[in-house]
Amino acid sequence: QSVLTQSPSVSGAPGQRVTISCTGSSSNIGAGYDVHWYQRLPGKAPKLLIFRNSNRPSGVPDRFSGSQSGTSASLAISGLQTEDEADYYCQTYDSGLSGWVFGGGTKLTVL
Amino acid sequence: QLQLQESGPGLVKPSETLSLTCTVSGGSISTGFYYWGWIRQPPGKGLEWIGSIYYSGKTYYNASLKSRVTISADTSKNQFSLKLSSVTAADTAVFYCARHPGGGDRRNWYFDLWGRGTLVTVSS
Repeated sequence: QSVLTQSPSVSGAPGQRVTISCTGSSSNIGAGYDVHWYQRLPGKAPKLLIFRNSNRPSGVPDRFSGSQSGTSASLAISGLQTEDEADYYCQTYDSGLSGWVFGGGTKLTVL
Repeated sequence: QLQLQESGPGLVKPSETLSLTCTVSGGSISTGFYYWGWIRQPPGKGLEWIGSIYYSGKTYYNASLKSRVTISADTSKNQFSLKLSSVTAADTAVFYCARHPGGGDRRNWYFDLWGRGTLVTVSS
């Protein structure tokens, strides 16, 4: 079981907005550590999508946004496009484990 | 453009040592600031950080794997490597190498560049 909990799957139609959640605990997200998000397209290397809760690397469209509150974090994708179909992972640090941890991943299907 | 490429045997026997290398191209691992890490994903499971290294040799390891893991860096070859000993079927996974921007509180670090991953199967 992953330290960070993500729904296994989410879906949406082109143009819609979806939210992917990442639930942790007081030893990771709740402790105030930054949350980061990655996108893994089929057959591709994982790509940094959001860093430090809400920052987008250069080249990532502003359709992607991140937020964090309490022991959870969320990735929102607006204006869904077919090319957004991928696996999405959250990541942070866990003080109990003294290391970086990931969520189990959420598979986004664009209907 | 900096790229990372994992390489190594795709099949390892139980109880043996898994060895992988990450070759960095388009930039140097010894320019400083960045740490270099290994992450794995067993089939059907989530990502798991294994460990990270600075070019000088300073390392951080996942506590659950620390007794079996060694990560080293070879600046002359612009590579860093992973050794995981006493492997079992549970170590079957896609292994990724990745880069951490350093600086600041390391607890807030992330991975800004990844390799495409390599599948390693542990089986006799």
